Amino acid sequence: QKEVEQNSGPLSVPEGAIASLNCTYSDRGSQSFFWYRQYSGKSPELIMSIYSNGDKEDGRFTAQLNKASQYVSLLIRDSQPSDSATYLCAVTPTNAGGTSYGKLTFGQGTILTVHP
Amino acid sequence: GAVVSQHPSRVICKSGTSVKIECRSLDFQATTMFWYRQFPKQSLMLMATSNEGSKATYEQGVEKDKFLINHASLTLSTLTVTSAHPEDSSFYICSASPLRVLNWEDYGYTFGSGTRLTVV
Repeated sequence: QKEVEQNSGPLSVPEGAIASLNCTYSDRGSQSFFWYRQYSGKSPELIMSIYSNGDKEDGRFTAQLNKASQYVSLLIRDSQPSDSATYLCAVTPTNAGGTSYGKLTFGQGTILTVHP
Repeated sequence: GAVVSQHPSRVICKSGTSVKIECRSLDFQATTMFWYRQFPKQSLMLMATSNEGSKATYEQGVEKDKFLINHASLTLSTLTVTSAHPEDSSFYICSASPLRVLNWEDYGYTFGSGTRLTVV
């Protein structure tokens, strides 16, 4: 089982629709969860971070975390063609001290295409 | 804040030569920097953790003698790909962890712009 798994995609949605991206993780002790957007040939760009169960909203983006189900998702409302990219879910593992730090484990990514 | 600069952005080298990639934290001090590698159409894979003033920690399967990491100051880490071969061609990306973070929930790990290495 992969440590971080994302819905395989690619995902195609019409402009203005809601795009839903999902991610599950295997390390139950993980504490920090991130969604990155990566355009072709570029490095990842942080969209959202979430640490507590529940929803976290930032503009058109909403991250949802359910630690009991080991599940994190990203909703993109009013999708725009400029949102077309690969979305990476990343998790920080717990270390021996029980805290997380900057070592990220990435999912394989989901390619999102928003068509006009 | 939390800006990470990476240089060069693109490099082409001949097989058998060495290439050095620099990663700098511009507006913060970083005791720890991370080096990732991304092959085409694949996700980022952590290669090694670079610790200021001490030896780097390499992930399983990464040759430490081939990928030399030096973290000589709190703002600079370098990755040297020694005796590069075509299979080392990849996108190399660094990230940095601040020395102090007031609120971890406000901090998202920032990546450098990446280095596209092509070995011919």
